[in-house]
Amino acid sequence: GENVEQHPSTLSVQEGDSAVIKCTYSDSASNYFPWYKQELGKGPQLIIDIRSNVGEKKDQRIAVTLNKTAKHFSLHITETQPEDSAVYFCAASISGTYKYIFGTGTRLKVLA
Amino acid sequence: GAGVSQSPRYKVAKRGQDVALRCDPISGHVSLFWYQQALGQGPEFLTYFQNEAQLDKSGLPSDRFFAERPEGSVSTLKIQRTQQEDSAVYLCASSLGDGELFFGEGSRLTVL
Repeated sequence: GENVEQHPSTLSVQEGDSAVIKCTYSDSASNYFPWYKQELGKGPQLIIDIRSNVGEKKDQRIAVTLNKTAKHFSLHITETQPEDSAVYFCAASISGTYKYIFGTGTRLKVLA
Repeated sequence: GAGVSQSPRYKVAKRGQDVALRCDPISGHVSLFWYQQALGQGPEFLTYFQNEAQLDKSGLPSDRFFAERPEGSVSTLKIQRTQQEDSAVYLCASSLGDGELFFGEGSRLTVL
């Protein structure tokens, strides 16, 4: 079945450094790839997404890259701040459905 | 309301009890999803509604799980004869149908 793998499971960076989280997906027909941030006790919140017809998208300090050939996509956070500390989930759409497969999450800690 | 509202936020049930979890989506959102999130894992799809029609219930883990959205707005997820493995956070999300999911804060179910 469809699968999304996410690495690393935990990531600690110094404030101001960059953080990179990587995901791979199995369904070659997936065409939508959102990233969600989940803070403790909260629901996931969309921070950025990318569709399969583009290779990169940026929004201020956050960027996502997509390599369709290799079936992987990455989240890049630059100039990290303590408030970036949270669990981040990648997801991939399942072709022909409204369902998403989520990765297992990355716990990001930004050390002040 | 401004966002997706879920209640109760926390529910403790004795094994064998029935529970009902409520979701009030963003006004005007035709799509509604239920996801289950086990501790330390990503959300897993349970079921999907478009207005009042349940179009996909392939993720419901057993026939003890039942969801409805009778008037195309508020939805209820019911779990009968709860088991310990049902302990999880149940997330509701709504969408205009363009891909972005807006999640509620979830209902944390603990079955003793």
